[in-house]
Amino acid sequence: QVHLVQSGAEVKNPGASVKVSCKASGYTFTSYAMHWVRQAPGQRLEWVGWINPGNGNTKYSQKFQDRVTITRDTSANTAYLELSSLRSEDTAVYYCARDLGPMVTQAPPDAFNIWGQGTTVTVSS
Amino acid sequence: DIVMTQSPDSLAVSLGERATINCKSSQSVLYTSNNKNYIGWYQQKPGQPPKLLIYWASTRESGVPDRFSGSGSGTDFTLTISSLQAEDVAVYYCQQYYSNPPAFGQGTRLEIK
Repeated sequence: QVHLVQSGAEVKNPGASVKVSCKASGYTFTSYAMHWVRQAPGQRLEWVGWINPGNGNTKYSQKFQDRVTITRDTSANTAYLELSSLRSEDTAVYYCARDLGPMVTQAPPDAFNIWGQGTTVTVSS
Repeated sequence: DIVMTQSPDSLAVSLGERATINCKSSQSVLYTSNNKNYIGWYQQKPGQPPKLLIYWASTRESGVPDRFSGSGSGTDFTLTISSLQAEDVAVYYCQQYYSNPPAFGQGTRLEIK
């Protein structure tokens, strides 16, 4: 079975950084793009960026370009999202989500058919 | 960037009746070389991640009941639930994956009348 399991909830002060992990299982990690999507309270889903786990190439939303870093560890089948200079508006549930099709057949982005359970990040002093 | 707009924002439908949710993209998401519309529909229940229901605008994801269907092309799309069940109460989102950044609509909250 295909699963994405994320790290636990985080509480951070404004100005700090947070790093969230997403461990994949049940499929070839390097074959499918991995995305990060966030959802602030009462807001729509907002795409943050994606990584090609095969070669580490990334693409970020312009909104987060200067504050976000997405990485991966292929030996651990895990993707990471790091967001710096946190502010209250970054309080949200952060999800990792996998593309529906492998990158050889569908260049990212694709529909997202596998999602992690979400990680709540709270930014508060 | 492509902007996705859904209507209505909320909808109340009686059990067993049809529910229709609309989604409009600010530019066409039809890729003419393969004749595919790069639209997905998701269902999100409280405290859960979104669940993919429909992709390529009209292809049902594996395991999704056939009361869910998607239609439309170009810039205008529709998600239809043919006979509403109690378990369909949720927020529904459309998404375009035609171009970066992929973008979601604002969501439509579906309730039982």
